[in-house]
Amino acid sequence: GNSVTQMEGPVTLSEEAFLTINCTYTATGYPSLFWYVQYPGEGLQLLLKATKADDKGSNKGFEATYRKETTSFHLEKGSVQVSDSAVYFCALGNAGNNRKLIWGLGTSLAVNP
Amino acid sequence: DAGVIQSPRHEVTEMGQEVTLRCKPISGHNSLFWYRQTMMRGLELLIYFNNNVPIDDSGMPEDRFSAKMPNASFSTLKIQPSEPRDSAVYFCATLEGQNYGYTFGSGTRLTVV
Repeated sequence: GNSVTQMEGPVTLSEEAFLTINCTYTATGYPSLFWYVQYPGEGLQLLLKATKADDKGSNKGFEATYRKETTSFHLEKGSVQVSDSAVYFCALGNAGNNRKLIWGLGTSLAVNP
Repeated sequence: DAGVIQSPRHEVTEMGQEVTLRCKPISGHNSLFWYRQTMMRGLELLIYFNNNVPIDDSGMPEDRFSAKMPNASFSTLKIQPSEPRDSAVYFCATLEGQNYGYTFGSGTRLTVV
């Protein structure tokens, strides 16, 4: 069945460092891929998405490219800020039904000043 | 729009008591999801509705859990009787269309003692 694997955290970085959070998936068909972010005490928020191979999603300085050949959707940001401290979730839609997402376990990011 | 509104934000109850969690979705979002989040199991989909009809309740842990969506403006998740292992954060999320991504509420933190 479809699945998502995220790198384990926590990830701790200094402000202005480069961020990569790895996400790989297994899936049949061509599902959409999502990154969500959860700030402390809040619900998850959609950060970015990509709906087909080679699409690049971007938002708030974060980027992720849907790579079919490596079945990956790694999240990157060139220069993190303290305010980026949160938990990041990679998610996979089922082909033909993106209502029911398959979630990674989340990666906690702490950015120190 | 006020977003997805959940109530209460926090609930502490004794084992054996009935607990009702409430969700008001965003107007026009025709899919509604109930999720549970714990450190041990991550984010689990309990049930989702499409146009007020339950579509998939395979994630409901047992008969003690029930969910209703009597109209497009309101949904409840009920646990009767509650047990300590039900302690978690429960999120309601809604979806406008398959590729738009979820909008989550702020969650209800349930503690069963």
